[in-house]
Amino acid sequence: EVVLTQSPATLSLSPGERATLSCRASQSVTYYLAWYQQKPGQAPRLLIYDASNRATGIPARFSGSGSGTDFTLTISSLEPEDSAVYYCQQRSNWHTFGGGTKVEI
Amino acid sequence: QVQLQESGPGLVRPSQTLSLTCAVSGDSITNGDYYWSWIRQPPGKGLEWVGYISSSGSTHYNPSLQSRVIMSLDTSKNQFSLKLTSVTAADTAMYYCAMIVRGVINWFDPWGQGTLVTVSS
Repeated sequence: EVVLTQSPATLSLSPGERATLSCRASQSVTYYLAWYQQKPGQAPRLLIYDASNRATGIPARFSGSGSGTDFTLTISSLEPEDSAVYYCQQRSNWHTFGGGTKVEI
Repeated sequence: QVQLQESGPGLVRPSQTLSLTCAVSGDSITNGDYYWSWIRQPPGKGLEWVGYISSSGSTHYNPSLQSRVIMSLDTSKNQFSLKLTSVTAADTAMYYCAMIVRGVINWFDPWGQGTLVTVSS
């Protein structure tokens, strides 16, 4: 099983600041990694797929990078509505999710 | 645009079988190269992939749950279902259905709103 470790667990920032979220895989997943956003009481929403591609309708302030075992989700300028838990997920070996990073604004 | 809606009992007794359905609107479940998926989330915790069934009916389950999971398609109602046998309190979770469009996005998108299942006597 591929274990995904996300850090930090919680990120507290102000509007307009840059957020950098990390996801590390226990073995290479090449570029088969996605990021999801989950707001309270809602289902997760796909943000980034194949490590760096924005899903339909996702604002340009969200970007993804990385390959192999180390990946990053960057929110360039935080908006209040970006408060959420962010999960990474891999599909290289079945499907597993990271434990999540809570972004507080 | 495809929309998904989960339904099923909110309370299941220990050792019984959990049964959920996911109604699909906006496309036929047998059109295209789709994987119809279940993902669950225990209260306050992270996400766990349960498994999926393809539009042709082939199934793939999480190895940790494989012995207790059955998924199926109901083409007459354009829905798919999940059965999880011998449930315990550890199976208490929000259960989401989601779609994978193979060859296009290949990720879970979109998701249903979820249905909470509690296992308790």
